[in-house]
Amino acid sequence: EVQLVESGGGLVQPGGSLRLSCAASGFTFSSYNMNWVRQAPGKGLEWLSYISNSGSSMFYADSVKGRFTTSRDNARNSLFLQMHNLRAEDTALYYCVRGICTTCDTGRWFDPWGQGTLVTVSS
Amino acid sequence: EIVMTQSPATLSMSPGERATLSCRASQSISSDLAWYQQKPGQAPRLLIYGASTRATGIPARFSGSGSGTEFTLTISSLQSEDFAVYYCQQYNNWPPLTFGGGTKVEIK
Repeated sequence: EVQLVESGGGLVQPGGSLRLSCAASGFTFSSYNMNWVRQAPGKGLEWLSYISNSGSSMFYADSVKGRFTTSRDNARNSLFLQMHNLRAEDTALYYCVRGICTTCDTGRWFDPWGQGTLVTVSS
Repeated sequence: EIVMTQSPATLSMSPGERATLSCRASQSISSDLAWYQQKPGQAPRLLIYGASTRATGIPARFSGSGSGTEFTLTISSLQSEDFAVYYCQQYNNWPPLTFGGGTKVEIK
């Protein structure tokens, strides 16, 4: 069974840092690009970042560019999101998602999704 | 950035009825559109990709159509488990990958 399990969320003060992790299982992790998507309480979905299967290419949403960094360890089947200078508006449930494409000359859709890890930014 | 607009925001339906959800892109995205279902307290689940291809295990009562800028998700006969929030997502022009604001299908 393909599974993604996020961890590392919690309460952090504004300006603080946090590192999220995602443990992948049930598929060949090194063959797939991975993404982070978040959902603020009661709100919709926001794509945050993409990392290629090799880790050589990354893209970010403007809202987190320069503050968040995504990385991966293919040997450990793990994805990470390092978050710095956190703001109240970063409060959300953070999902690890596998990106899927066919011809891959366009972007990716997401399947499956982890259950998410909650980040709360508050003093 | 491609803006995705979903309508209506809320759809009040009865079990057994046909539900039609709309998603509009701010510019043409060909057929590079996915639909997701999210139930309360759960992660989103992929329903449709390529505008009309059902994901593995998705019941045939879910169908997607459209291309360019106008897309539709149809649930032919609503079951109790289908009351949820539905999101569309474009993957034609990125970054960023963008989602619509969602349509909540609620029980009338």
